[in-house]
Amino acid sequence: QVQLVQSGAEVKKPGSSVNVSCKAFGGTFSTSAISWVRQAPGQGLEWMGGIIPILETVNYAQKFQDRVTISADELRTTVYMELSSLQCEDTAVYFCARSFGDYPGTWFFDLWGRGSLVTVSS
Amino acid sequence: SFELTQPPSVSVSPGQTARITCSGDELPKEFVHWYQQKPGQAPVLMIYKDKERPSGIPERFSGSSSGTTVTLTISEVQAEDEADYYCQSGDNSDINVLFGGGTKLTVL
Repeated sequence: QVQLVQSGAEVKKPGSSVNVSCKAFGGTFSTSAISWVRQAPGQGLEWMGGIIPILETVNYAQKFQDRVTISADELRTTVYMELSSLQCEDTAVYFCARSFGDYPGTWFFDLWGRGSLVTVSS
Repeated sequence: SFELTQPPSVSVSPGQTARITCSGDELPKEFVHWYQQKPGQAPVLMIYKDKERPSGIPERFSGSSSGTTVTLTISEVQAEDEADYYCQSGDNSDINVLFGGGTKLTVL
């Protein structure tokens, strides 16, 4: 059974970038989509964007469109999320999550990674 | 813009029924999905497409919809059900995913 294993915690300076990875253990992403959802301390869930690796299509939430890049490796076993121009408000746990369907409007997330804490501090 | 509105908190005694609502103008045209999140853990899918239950989710959890409101119902609430619950949908453009603000369920 596929598990989503995320990279570890990161501490970053304001203005820098962070790259978080999400690897499929026990299989590949197959035809699924992988999204990134973040959760600031004490706050709710916020969708950032998602990729369908087999189709090489990516959708971004408008809020993050200018500074997030989601990509996948050629083997379609790892998805990456790079967030640039970090600010303190980007301090959050970043989750990857699996869904199926051709476009975000149809997505719901049946499998989640455990989350990666990104702390932005000077 | 399309928003999903949830009550911030719901409280219920053990054995009673909890109902958590999610409201949005586009909901008659969009499916809603529900997640349970306990402190320090990733969310877990509890209901998808308004009323479908993934395997392994207790039958006590059910979903229903009526007009612009979708409801997660938890029957015979147990202490272990205390958690945050989030509804989620797609917006009318079909290229965005939306989450409600979350509801904290307290079991008294």
